[in-house]
Amino acid sequence: DTAVSQTPKYLVTQMGNDKSIKCEQNLGHDTMYWYKQDSKKFLKIMFSYNNKELIINETVPNRFSPKSPDKAHLNLHINSLELGDSAVYFCASSQVTLGTGELFFGEGSRLTVL
Amino acid sequence: SQQGEEDPQALSIQEGENATMNCSYKTSINNLQWYRQNSGRGLVHLILIRSNEREKHSGRLRVTLDTSKKSSSLLITASRAADTASYFCATVSTGNQFYFGTGTSLTVIP
Repeated sequence: DTAVSQTPKYLVTQMGNDKSIKCEQNLGHDTMYWYKQDSKKFLKIMFSYNNKELIINETVPNRFSPKSPDKAHLNLHINSLELGDSAVYFCASSQVTLGTGELFFGEGSRLTVL
Repeated sequence: SQQGEEDPQALSIQEGENATMNCSYKTSINNLQWYRQNSGRGLVHLILIRSNEREKHSGRLRVTLDTSKKSSSLLITASRAADTASYFCATVSTGNQFYFGTGTSLTVIP
């Protein structure tokens, strides 16, 4: 049983389109994250979210918005896609306890904007 | 930026040799973690070291942490071809935000 699953695995689309990537975790974790990994493998945190708080990386354009229908899901919606949005997007989850916790990652969604 | 930096960016060794990679960071931390990423896959947690610990072992992995120098190292002993992957350090501060380093690409030649 996959712990953190995200769909689709590959997404090819045109500039200007709107797209969503879905993420689900079955670990019962209280916090979920979205990361962007560029072509140089640089991992940048975009959002973290638990049932109390959404923390947004200030460098993330407001075209990106997380949507959480429930504790086990955190979807990523992207409006007006740009060429620079091409990257691999990773969803992750963790159980936040004092001073500990590890991230569990999905397999990634490779977005290509043409 | 709270991102860490890893050194070297790329490392190529023969099977059986040891591999050492380093991570430097800028802010105070609760703990530091190391992750592995195989090509085309998600990251997998390897080991966690708390800010009050100086060294930790797990199998063939040894991690050290020097909070005065804001640096950590990961040693993989007796490397295997299957260890070929990218390795990332992640710092965890208050608020449980995980900030990753730039990664070291390790190639182990059979």
